[in-house]
Amino acid sequence: GIQVEQSPPDLILQEGANSTLRCNFSDSVNNLQWFHQNPWGQLINLFYIPSGTKQNGRLSATTVATERYSLLYISSSQTTDSGVYFCAVEKNYGGSQGNLIFGKGTKLSVKP
Amino acid sequence: NAGVTQTPKFQVLKTGQSMTLQCAQDMNHNSMYWYRQDPGMGLRLIYYSASEGTTDKGEVPNGYNVSRLNKREFSLRLESAAPSQTSVYFCASTLAGGSSSYNEQFFGPGTRLTVL
Repeated sequence: GIQVEQSPPDLILQEGANSTLRCNFSDSVNNLQWFHQNPWGQLINLFYIPSGTKQNGRLSATTVATERYSLLYISSSQTTDSGVYFCAVEKNYGGSQGNLIFGKGTKLSVKP
Repeated sequence: NAGVTQTPKFQVLKTGQSMTLQCAQDMNHNSMYWYRQDPGMGLRLIYYSASEGTTDKGEVPNGYNVSRLNKREFSLRLESAAPSQTSVYFCASTLAGGSSSYNEQFFGPGTRLTVL
């Protein structure tokens, strides 16, 4: 099956710093989402981005589908950005059933 | 809109007991999913329902059954709970359809299950 690898596994930042999280996947995809799992366990949708670039406030994401990777940028990090960031993909097999395959996540800790 | 709701939030079972996890969505979505999340891991798909009246196995279906009761509700049943089923369970839904943007999934708050 499709493999999803996220890096780095852990990241510690000082408040105000910028960071880039990476997601590599092993096959063509028709669905890619980034989620933030907050310390209370809630999964929050950040981006639906199977290709291209999107921005939402201090966060932005880019997916280069032909090279099989996606990047999540966090600028001017805040303590509330702490948590685990997941990338999830669905293999492109000509249809879609929404069967997301998740990476193991990047655990981000932002220190005040 | 409440989005995706799950009940209960927490549950402790003894080995061999049964229980049903409930999930409902009010977004008129067509497809619904059950995932489990184990410590230090991403989520893994247990079962999904592409549309009302259909269900299919995901990556880790053993020990579980599901029912798509109607378009809004999708339940997950553990017939004889085992300690290996200790996990956090998430329900999700997506509109699904012709446009790719319909495939964005939205998740409920999760149910934390412990099997002793």
